[in-house]
Amino acid sequence: AQSVAQPEDQVNVAEGNPLTVKCTYSVSGNPYLFWYVQYPNRGLQFLLKYITGDNLVKGSYGFEAEFNKSQTSFHLKKPSALVSDSALYFCAVRALSNDYKLSFGAGTTVTVRA
Amino acid sequence: GAVVSQHPSWVICKSGTSVKIECRSLDFQATTMFWYRQFPKQSLMLMATSNEGSKATYEQGVEKDKFLINHASLTLSTLTVTSAHPEDSSFYICSARALTGQGPGTQYFGPGTRLLVL
Repeated sequence: AQSVAQPEDQVNVAEGNPLTVKCTYSVSGNPYLFWYVQYPNRGLQFLLKYITGDNLVKGSYGFEAEFNKSQTSFHLKKPSALVSDSALYFCAVRALSNDYKLSFGAGTTVTVRA
Repeated sequence: GAVVSQHPSWVICKSGTSVKIECRSLDFQATTMFWYRQFPKQSLMLMATSNEGSKATYEQGVEKDKFLINHASLTLSTLTVTSAHPEDSSFYICSARALTGQGPGTQYFGPGTRLLVL
């Protein structure tokens, strides 16, 4: 079985401050890890993923995430948040061996105040 | 690149009618597409996996006779909600698995279809 936990329902930060959205996962074997962002009434937009290699992954819109195998975490970070980053963020995982099915976390709503 | 479209974006229908939702990969081929359902302020729930040229695989608890899936080509999958009832009202999102571009297994999502059954 595979699962994702996003422990924070909401994250509030001021514009210009660092943004972190937490994610921990559980999977058998090596994981594929993903971050997606969803704006109101829209589908999900791909931000970044980790498959193998460097633990620090850089993605779209200045976001990055760090894979930590010992802590089974894949936290999303942005050094300087923008008001336009306000959205719903989903972490997802799948095992290398499964048939491409993703398991999503519950989502974290990020609000960046001006 | 890697754009997925859905049509319609909004649909309102009467109870008992059937509704068809299309999911298209516009600039890439997708042998596998996925259909999700999302309730307000909740995560995505995988309903079924759609494979081109074969029968869809449904997740436990999803009625295959109610949610008919057809994946007739490498760029099109359809979800038909048959005899829709108010409890079927939801946001339906599809995704397509890219074979190239961002690497194996990345799913690209459509913009979603909001269904309201009166």
